[in-house]
Amino acid sequence: DVKVTQSSRYLVKRTGEKVFLECVQDMDHENMFWYRQDPGLGLRLIYFSYDVKMKEKGDIPEGYSVSREKKERFSLILESASTNQTSMYLCASSFIQGGYTFGSGTRLTVV
Amino acid sequence: QKEVEQDPGPLSVPEGAIVSLNCTYSNSAFQYFMWYRQYSRKGPELLMYTYSSGNKEDGRFTAQVDKSSKYISLFIRDSQPSDSATYLCAMSERGSTLGRLYFGRGTQLTVWP
Repeated sequence: DVKVTQSSRYLVKRTGEKVFLECVQDMDHENMFWYRQDPGLGLRLIYFSYDVKMKEKGDIPEGYSVSREKKERFSLILESASTNQTSMYLCASSFIQGGYTFGSGTRLTVV
Repeated sequence: QKEVEQDPGPLSVPEGAIVSLNCTYSNSAFQYFMWYRQYSRKGPELLMYTYSSGNKEDGRFTAQVDKSSKYISLFIRDSQPSDSATYLCAMSERGSTLGRLYFGRGTQLTVWP
């Protein structure tokens, strides 16, 4: 069974902390994505990557960065966490023109 | 205006009802259309995948695409309480090597026994 694994289901961090969210896929997918999901706003794309060491900004990249050093791993970094970054974070991967496979999500609370 | 519009509901139906979920879109380049189901506190899972216009059926689920009207639908027959979830439509452009999906905001469905 193909999988996208997010390292944490729940995280609580303090304002100003640097936060790392990890995502690993075992399907040899080229593309990987980070979204945040908020009530009433739906899924919003933060960053995506179509190859190792390649990254593209999505619709809301401010306050975030990403790293993709290996094909199977895509990390989201919150440089200095703020309360407005409290959200559900979803990682996904896909082949070209394929549907996404999502992870289970990380619910991040910044206090 | 968002590229993909979806009524957020909530939609509440009795068990056994036929459910109709819909999305409209504005980008005529969209060629790939999907429906995802998301249970509470879980990631979305791919439910239906269709290319271009037409119908696709999978068990109790039927996906329809009408490109002339820029309108897609998901029908659920004989709905069950286990179908209670949020349903998201998604679509992508022809020729997009990145395969980026554009999502609706999701419709929350409750099927009561």
